[in-house]
Amino acid sequence: AQTVTQSQPEMSVQEAETVTLSCTYDTSESDYYLFWYKQPPSRQMILVIRQEAYKQQNATENRFSVNFQKAAKSFSLKISDSQLGDAAMYFCAYRGGGADGLTFGKGTHLIIQP
Amino acid sequence: DGGITQSPKYLFRKEGQNVTLSCEQNLNHDAMYWYRQDPGQGLRLIYYSQIVNDFQKGDIAEGYSVSREKKESFPLTVTSAQKNPTAFYLCASSIGYRGQETQYFGPGTRLLVL
Repeated sequence: AQTVTQSQPEMSVQEAETVTLSCTYDTSESDYYLFWYKQPPSRQMILVIRQEAYKQQNATENRFSVNFQKAAKSFSLKISDSQLGDAAMYFCAYRGGGADGLTFGKGTHLIIQP
Repeated sequence: DGGITQSPKYLFRKEGQNVTLSCEQNLNHDAMYWYRQDPGQGLRLIYYSQIVNDFQKGDIAEGYSVSREKKESFPLTVTSAQKNPTAFYLCASSIGYRGQETQYFGPGTRLLVL
């Protein structure tokens, strides 16, 4: 079974600075997809960014980018120019090439200090 | 507006009672999913459905049941056999069931046991 590990239960960053959230995963599959979701206090899960394992290029969405290290099975999220609205729980998630659901890590609580 | 709706927002269950959580989507998505979130935990897959009249058990299906009679609807019943039902329940959908399809989430239902 696949597992996803987020080793940082909580991170804190000053507004406008950069922060990196860590995620590692374990899988024997070659075809898979990785996601970062944000869960603000409203508890709505919002997709932040996704990465296909077959792509070598790291995904980028505005201030959000990933560092995907396939051999190390690492998938970190970098948030640049942190804003107060970025404060939330961030979940790393894995999905294999098949038809079942996502496997989530336990999340990292991101605090933005003004 | 297209999206996923879940009702009710809060639900109270008495001991020995079955309760049903509603999930509706108007995104014309084929696949739908139910997840459970406990405090300090990531989401865990309960059931998923790739197509109408078909569904599969996820990692924690015991004590739950589902139906998929319409493409738009995927209700979850929490039965009396679920001994610890207090949790936050999230419904999701994706346009297809393959691994690369992004899952989009509803706002969730919080279930509490009286």
